[in-house]
Amino acid sequence: DSGVTQTPKHLITATGQRVTLRCSPRSGDLSVYWYQQSLDQGLQFLIQYYNGEERAKGNILERFSAQQFPDLHSELNLSSLELGDSALYFCASSGASGSSYEQYFGPGTRLTVT
Amino acid sequence: GNSVTQMEGPVTLSEEAFLTINCTYTATGYPSLFWYVQYPGEGLQLLLKATKADDKGSNKGFEATYRKETTSFHLEKGSVQVSDSAVYFCALSDLGGGKLIFGQGTELSVKP
Repeated sequence: DSGVTQTPKHLITATGQRVTLRCSPRSGDLSVYWYQQSLDQGLQFLIQYYNGEERAKGNILERFSAQQFPDLHSELNLSSLELGDSALYFCASSGASGSSYEQYFGPGTRLTVT
Repeated sequence: GNSVTQMEGPVTLSEEAFLTINCTYTATGYPSLFWYVQYPGEGLQLLLKATKADDKGSNKGFEATYRKETTSFHLEKGSVQVSDSAVYFCALSDLGGGKLIFGQGTELSVKP
């Protein structure tokens, strides 16, 4: 158990809908990262927050947004969903922001768009 | 930009065989390097890491050495077990905020 929790574990929804994925980092970790894992794209970085502020952006679509709250949990919002958004979404946390800090991953949320 | 390339899988070995999974990277500067493992239906678990040239990361019998001259971070284990069957990801950490850039993953299957 990494100490990172994600809810829900599975999500099935229709095209055009909006969903919210939730992540609670390990106790004391300030940095939260979101990644998408799909068969065709592999594991791709989406966005990073550090202590409530956006720190880095990757290949995140404009239809997607995220935030980190004062209690440090984070939410990833996906809207106007398309079939191609079906993937595993992982959240990871680390103690700080920097390349030498290891990231601990949650179990993921499997999103299926029908 | 930064990138990671892993040997393609699947890799199938018999129990107690020697394992090597090749990983090479392209990066500016000297990023930290990681191996993560993903068991079926689970998230990624950190297996080992190295933060500077010639560092050797090790855990659970797995080892990898950060080779700056060959830009490589190959994963090795002397004697694999059935329980090692999983997908292994090599990754480098961006020098800024630390986002991870992953290789495509290598599936390992160990037969008894």
